[in-house]
Amino acid sequence: KNQVEQSPQSLIILEGKNCTLQCNYTVSPFSNLRWYKQDTGRGPVSLTIMTFSENTKSNGRYTATLDADTKQSSLHITASQLSDSASYICVVSTSSGSARQLTFGSGTQLTVLP
Amino acid sequence: EAGVTQFPSHSVIEKGQTVTLRCDPISGHDNLYWYRRVMGKEIKFLLHFVKESKQDESGMPNNRFLAERTGGTYSTLKVQPAELEDSGVYFCASSLIGAYGYTFGSGTRLTVV
Repeated sequence: KNQVEQSPQSLIILEGKNCTLQCNYTVSPFSNLRWYKQDTGRGPVSLTIMTFSENTKSNGRYTATLDADTKQSSLHITASQLSDSASYICVVSTSSGSARQLTFGSGTQLTVLP
Repeated sequence: EAGVTQFPSHSVIEKGQTVTLRCDPISGHDNLYWYRRVMGKEIKFLLHFVKESKQDESGMPNNRFLAERTGGTYSTLKVQPAELEDSGVYFCASSLIGAYGYTFGSGTRLTVV
């Protein structure tokens, strides 16, 4: 069964600090892995997309890593800001024939305090 | 460029009633997906349209759910009759054919009481 597990479930940090969120997956066949940020009441917004051959990708203060051998990914947030408070969702895409499906993790709820 | 638009943003209905959710994808996006997140769970796939055709509806929970995309533009998702367990947030996403990037709408929060 395709699964995406994220940890921690929730995280509270002080503004300016760094943090790292984890994602393990058992999705097959693997196409790509995405990290999304979802603000309360909004839809998920893509931060990074990584294919099998990519092991790191940055988007501003967000840096994602991917180890396709161990099927693990992380999202590192540098110098956190209050606006980083959101749910961060790891999503793995499988390509099966002509259909593409996304398997979502349950998300890590990040709260950044002043 | 307008994003993916969903409405209503919120809907509260009684068990047994019918509700229709609408999604307007980004213009030109032939792929349209419906997902939902029930309380405390991860977002799960419902179905995938390519233009007006249902490419994959393996995630539809039962025959109380009916999705359409007449003309290959906007899509509707009807729940009839609604049950308590249908409560959740229903997301729509769209993408170009062959593209990795999906754009999600803000979702419709459905509450069945």
